[in-house]
Amino acid sequence: GENVEQHPSTLSVQEGDSAVIKCTYSDSASNYFPWYKQELGKGPQLIIDIRSNVGEKKDQRIAVTLNKTAKHFSLHITETQPEDSAVYFCAASRGNTPLVFGKGTRLSVIA
Amino acid sequence: ETGVTQTPRHLVMGMTNKKSLKCEQHLGHNAMYWYKQSAKKPLELMFVYSLEERVENNSVPSRFSPECPNSSHLFLHLHTLQPEDSALYLCASSPNVGQGAVNEQFFGPGTRLTVL
Repeated sequence: GENVEQHPSTLSVQEGDSAVIKCTYSDSASNYFPWYKQELGKGPQLIIDIRSNVGEKKDQRIAVTLNKTAKHFSLHITETQPEDSAVYFCAASRGNTPLVFGKGTRLSVIA
Repeated sequence: ETGVTQTPRHLVMGMTNKKSLKCEQHLGHNAMYWYKQSAKKPLELMFVYSLEERVENNSVPSRFSPECPNSSHLFLHLHTLQPEDSALYLCASSPNVGQGAVNEQFFGPGTRLTVL
């Protein structure tokens, strides 16, 4: 089955700097890669996703890149703000199977 | 709001109690999920329902019993739980699951369960 590894487990950045979180997956048939943000006391919220026919996707300050050959994908947050502080989860799926999640990255943005 | 609601938000129960968690989705989705989230294992998939039929059960102890009476509602019935079952229980829904699925999942806020 699919296995998703996520790094780092914790990340601290200064406000305004960029943050990068990386994930690797094991199943070459996986074709859907979402990222979730979980704030304290809330459930995970889908913030961006990418499918295997695309190499990069951007949405304002958030971008995701996918390298199918190396089987890794990354979340990039630019111009970080204190409200970006949260736990971020990556996930992977074949499309006909439930998502397999990474263990999460706790991001702290220091004002 | 994601369109997925869960009640109660917090629950404290003894090991001999019986309680139920409720999830409702207002998104017109056909698939619903239960996850357990604890400090040691962040997101563990417990059960998956597609069109009210259970399609996945990840070796969950029988003290957890799911029920899906229709595609909008999902329950998790709890009985004789252990303290190690204390966790955040998350419900999610997606348009469908299975061949050709569109699997964007939307999560509810969770029920924080404490077993004494």
